[in-house]
Amino acid sequence: SFELTQPPSVSVSPGQTASIPCSGNKLGDKYACWYQQKPGQSPVLVIYQDNKRPSGIPERFSGSNSGNTATLTISGTQAMDEADYYCQAWDSRTGVFGGGTKLTVL
Amino acid sequence: QLQLQESGPGLVKSSETLSLTCTVSGGSLSSSDYYWAWIRQSPGKGLEWIGSIYYGGSTYYNPSLKSRVTIYGDTSKNQFSLKLSSVTAADTAVYYCGRQANSGSHHFDQWGQGTLVTVAS
Repeated sequence: SFELTQPPSVSVSPGQTASIPCSGNKLGDKYACWYQQKPGQSPVLVIYQDNKRPSGIPERFSGSNSGNTATLTISGTQAMDEADYYCQAWDSRTGVFGGGTKLTVL
Repeated sequence: QLQLQESGPGLVKSSETLSLTCTVSGGSLSSSDYYWAWIRQSPGKGLEWIGSIYYGGSTYYNPSLKSRVTIYGDTSKNQFSLKLSSVTAADTAVYYCGRQANSGSHHFDQWGQGTLVTVAS
């Protein structure tokens, strides 16, 4: 079965760039998307179709997907970006989530 | 503006069937542009897709749960529902309903607030 792997945690200093990878077999042949989840809240879609931002999502959020890895990049990271981030893809009519990455801004 | 609201018992006994309903407002369950999905999150854990239903009634389930899951819709009430049978403590989770795009990344662009279901022995 198709699986997505994320690092459990990533740390970044305020104002710097955070990169969160998501790996899966030939993930670049599929579309990837990303969600942000803050404590006690529902997930929010921040990137879809590899690199598109939904309305209302700041420009500092961007995405890429090639080979076996999709990457969520947050430029000029702010304290408010501290959250859990999940990648997701659709494979053979099945939804698959990565295990999630806790982004710490310190 | 689209809103989704989960409802159902917050406590289910082990071996029984969990039943939840998602009421959709501000949008139509009959739209061909979307699937409607259930996703869950065990306490302190990650997200797990349970399954999705398309407006024509087609359903897609997580293979790991397929033998226990049924998702069905009621377009007259603009609701869709989840039944999960033979529950155990491992099914204790926050259950979310969501709207899922019917193309591209099949992403979940709208989520309900979630409802905690606890399975008690």
